Amino acid sequence: DGGITQSPKYLFRKEGQNVTLSCEQNLNHDAMYWYRQDPGQGLRLIYYSQIVNDFQKGDIAEGYSVSREKKESFPLTVTSAQKNPTAFYLCASTPWGPNEKLFFGSGTQLSVL
Amino acid sequence: QQPVQSPQAVILREGEDAVINCSSSKALYSVHWYRQKHGEAPVFLMILLKGGEQKGHEKISASFNEKKQQSSLYLTASQLSYSGTYFCGTERKGYSGGSNYKLTFGKGTLLTVNP
Repeated sequence: DGGITQSPKYLFRKEGQNVTLSCEQNLNHDAMYWYRQDPGQGLRLIYYSQIVNDFQKGDIAEGYSVSREKKESFPLTVTSAQKNPTAFYLCASTPWGPNEKLFFGSGTQLSVL
Repeated sequence: QQPVQSPQAVILREGEDAVINCSSSKALYSVHWYRQKHGEAPVFLMILLKGGEQKGHEKISASFNEKKQQSSLYLTASQLSYSGTYFCGTERKGYSGGSNYKLTFGKGTLLTVNP
């Protein structure tokens, strides 16, 4: 079955540590997105990529980095510069173009030790 | 800029109706609606593409007033399964009048349906 796989489901970060969240899709979608969700804040866009080897900053990109070396994969690194990383992270994908619905992964809960 | 949703929360008894509103200060290309159960990924409900468009999904429907940059989600004869957080997502118009391809979400409306 086609879908989006996020791993791990739960992740813990120590102070000063970089961590990477995985997102893989087999839907043959061109565009991929990372959203951060905090209680009461909705979903806020971190980064998005419309084609391989290209990506754009979203509304809250500081302290995060991404890569898009393959169409299927869009990993997100939470760097030590992100001082408040505890949140639920959602990866999504769509076919290229406007008016396309988002297909979401099941999310990763990141917590700070 | 996030679209503004209202109300923030609503509690219903099974069978009652509810309206959730979504408004933006920017010109909109389209409006999306999603529902999220606690701890799960959001699930797509519908997209509204044109000003004045209305769509229906079971007993859930929505309208889009492009001129006012507003959308409303209507839930009629609510069921227990309708409980969750509802998000509107907006695609803004780019310089050419088309979409800017970024979906920006509101903070959500928590809907609780009790027996």
